[in-house]
Amino acid sequence: EVQLLESGGGLVQPGGSLRLSCAASGFTFSSYAMSWVRQAPGKGLEWVSAISGSGGSTYYADSVKGRFTISRDNSKNTLYLQMNSLRAEDTAVYYCAKWVRPYYDSSGYYVYWGQGTLVTVSS
Amino acid sequence: EIVLTQSPDFQSVTPKEKVTITCRASQSIGSSLHWYQQKPDQSPKLLIKYASQSISGVPSRFSGSGSGTDFTLTINSLEAEDAATYYCHQSSSLPRYTFGQGTKLEIK
Repeated sequence: EVQLLESGGGLVQPGGSLRLSCAASGFTFSSYAMSWVRQAPGKGLEWVSAISGSGGSTYYADSVKGRFTISRDNSKNTLYLQMNSLRAEDTAVYYCAKWVRPYYDSSGYYVYWGQGTLVTVSS
Repeated sequence: EIVLTQSPDFQSVTPKEKVTITCRASQSIGSSLHWYQQKPDQSPKLLIKYASQSISGVPSRFSGSGSGTDFTLTINSLEAEDAATYYCHQSSSLPRYTFGQGTKLEIK
């Protein structure tokens, strides 16, 4: 059974940093691209970042480029999101999601989502 | 960036009713359009892939159609458990694969 378990969320002050983790199980982690998608309270889904199965290719939304870094450790079956210079508008539930293929390529889709971790940026 | 616009934003429906949700893309995306269901306090779940292809384990009352810029999610004979927000998602324009704003279904 596929499982994605996010952790690392919490309350942080504006300008602060946080690192999210997503522990994966039930599938060959290195064979799939992964993404972070967030959802602000009461709002819709917003793609944040993606990484290929090997970790060699990374992608970012303009809203987080230069502040967030996605990475993965395939030996630990874990996806990460390092978030720096956090802003109030980064407040959201952050989901990790499994892509259908090793590459974050056109015409793919998310086959499975974790339960999410809440990040609150407030003073 | 490709913008996806769903309609309606909200719909209140009775059980056994037929529901249609539309998703319009700001430019042609072929069949690279997928639908997700998000129940309250849950994560999204894949419902339909490539506009019209069914997903194993998803009830047959859910179906999709369309291509290019106009897409439809249909729920036949709505059940109480279908109360959720439904999102369309395009994967045509790498890497900014955008979502629609969501359609919230309330069961009367």
